[in-house]
Amino acid sequence: EVQLLESGGGLVQPGGSLRLSCAASGFTFSSYGMSWVRQAPGKGLEWVSGMGGSSGSTFYADSVKGRFTISRDNSKNTLYLQMTSLRAEDTAIYYCAKSLSTTTCKEWGQGTLVTVSS
Amino acid sequence: QTVVTQEPSFSVSPGGTVTLTCGLSSGSVSTSSYPSWYQQTPGQAPRTLIYTTNTRSSGVPDRFSGSILGNKAALTITGAQADDESDYYCVLYMGSGIWEFGGGTKLTVL
Repeated sequence: EVQLLESGGGLVQPGGSLRLSCAASGFTFSSYGMSWVRQAPGKGLEWVSGMGGSSGSTFYADSVKGRFTISRDNSKNTLYLQMTSLRAEDTAIYYCAKSLSTTTCKEWGQGTLVTVSS
Repeated sequence: QTVVTQEPSFSVSPGGTVTLTCGLSSGSVSTSSYPSWYQQTPGQAPRTLIYTTNTRSSGVPDRFSGSILGNKAALTITGAQADDESDYYCVLYMGSGIWEFGGGTKLTVL
């Protein structure tokens, strides 16, 4: 069974940084792309970033490009999202998801809440 | 900038059939857009219903089906049940590794 467990969320001041982690199990992590998707309070889903499994290629939404960095450690079966220069509008639940070549989100984690506020 | 469009809300009677759509503000959706559909109830993580246009995710009842209708992706629910009342999101591949979600459709079953 695929399991994805996000962690690292919390309260951070505007301009601050935070690193999210997503621990994966139940599948061969290195063989799959992974994604981050967020959902601001009361709003819809927003694709944030994706990363290839073997290729290591990375992709970002314009809203986070230059501020967020996606990475992975295949030896630890863990996906990361380094977030810098955080803004109030980055406040959201952040979900990690297992990707396929033809879908960005096949399985989902339960999410971790990031709140950017002074 | 091209935006993914969905009906903000829809209602269906119990036992009825409803088709939700997912389009582009400019252009047409095709199988190369690799549309996926997700269901989300309040306080829960999204659940994958359909991916790659019409592939049902494991455990999803066959009441849910995906297709391309005209220039849009479509999610059809047949025999709607009370617990189908949820928010439904589509996502499309925009090219160059970028994906974009629609704004979501709030489905009411009444």
